[in-house]
Amino acid sequence: DAGVIQSPRHEVTEMGQEVTLRCKPISGHNSLFWYRQTMMRGLELLIYFNNNVPIDDSGMPEDRFSAKMPNASFSTLKIQPSEPRDSAVYFCASSSGNSNYGYTFGSGTRLTVV
Amino acid sequence: AQTVTQSQPEMSVQEAETVTLSCTYDTSESDYYLFWYKQPPSRQMILVIRQEAYKQQNATENRFSVNFQKAAKSFSLKISDSQLGDAAMYFCAYFWGGSEKLVFGKGTKLTVNP
Repeated sequence: DAGVIQSPRHEVTEMGQEVTLRCKPISGHNSLFWYRQTMMRGLELLIYFNNNVPIDDSGMPEDRFSAKMPNASFSTLKIQPSEPRDSAVYFCASSSGNSNYGYTFGSGTRLTVV
Repeated sequence: AQTVTQSQPEMSVQEAETVTLSCTYDTSESDYYLFWYKQPPSRQMILVIRQEAYKQQNATENRFSVNFQKAAKSFSLKISDSQLGDAAMYFCAYFWGGSEKLVFGKGTKLTVNP
């Protein structure tokens, strides 16, 4: 398996634009997680899905952020409109039914909003 | 809420020597899991080692071992025979099945000097 695949690897956008980050989890994994990493706040869980259903979105910072998982092999994280304070590395991770074995992370998307 | 604290923002070690990274956590649960993740400059999050709280025996993975002190809620990582490739950010993480969330500390940046 190719692991968790995220795209794009880097994204630079202007303030006010819509940004969509993409994730393909490992085949057979039924849980998917979106994290945000910044120097100030470290790694924060934004939202997670189980069997394509959003379970906990309490970490989503505000209504400008939305996430979807239309099927078991694809998820998106959208920011609309984007702001400079959204600049961060966004990670997607997936796990099988036994999350107590840890998550497998993608390589992350570095988002810069100018 | 469960929290994870890494009190050493930065550490350094000479190549071939041993270094210990500290981690403490706060929880009222008795059955949980602890992890150390490595994040090299490539940004990839790599699982280093895992500990089950109900096991008294400390986990080991080649040159990596942990000192798990459940009563003290302490989970330190020991890296023996340090190599240049060990240079990275190291994150301690806590998982409890009741929440399905992996909670991370702020990380320790490890530098390995030749």
